Amino acid sequence: NAGVMQNPRHLVRRRGQEARLRCSPMKGHSHVYWYRQLPEEGLKFMVYLQKENIIDESGMPKERFSAEFPKEGPSILRIQQVVRGDSAAYFCASSRSAGPPDNEQFFGPGTRLTVL
Amino acid sequence: SQKIEQNSEALNIQEGKTATLTCNYTNYSPAYLQWYRQDPGRGPVFLLLIRENEKEKRKERLKVTFDTTLKQSLFHITASQPADSATYLCARQAGTALIFGKGTTLSVSS
Repeated sequence: NAGVMQNPRHLVRRRGQEARLRCSPMKGHSHVYWYRQLPEEGLKFMVYLQKENIIDESGMPKERFSAEFPKEGPSILRIQQVVRGDSAAYFCASSRSAGPPDNEQFFGPGTRLTVL
Repeated sequence: SQKIEQNSEALNIQEGKTATLTCNYTNYSPAYLQWYRQDPGRGPVFLLLIRENEKEKRKERLKVTFDTTLKQSLFHITASQPADSATYLCARQAGTALIFGKGTTLSVSS
């Protein structure tokens, strides 16, 4: 039973380019969450999605960032026109349900984005 | 603002001792607190969840307490081993998102 999968594991982009991060949730999980971990900071919630719907994007920057979770395929976090401050580890998590306490979130290994 | 804080950035102990990590919260009363372990270059792994009406929860060598008067959760690892060295995160639920503390990095020396 594969866990949460993220790819790529490492991504290098130059300023102004686009970064696309992919997340495949665990089998049977329809709830996906994206978190960002900046150097020397804790994990910060960005967005919560269910299939084809963004439920909560309160933690996502208003500009340049977008997320989707299509009916088929992985969830994608897209960062347009990347800047050096976007360099961070981006983690995806999935859960079977949405409500606590049963929504134990399982995390992927993360994508480490470096912006040159 | 509603904060969750882990006051110690690092904790160094000797193998066999009990490690105790602290998580404090202010300006709210969480119904649940969760503890995760994160190894370098990896994603967090869920360890334990404790409800506000539970004083204590155990899992093997792990024990978590929840003191609503002190607004604090303590995370204990008994008979610690070098393999327990990692960063431990506490988290509270905020809607469907998790709000994490910055973590405490535990180093267990042999």
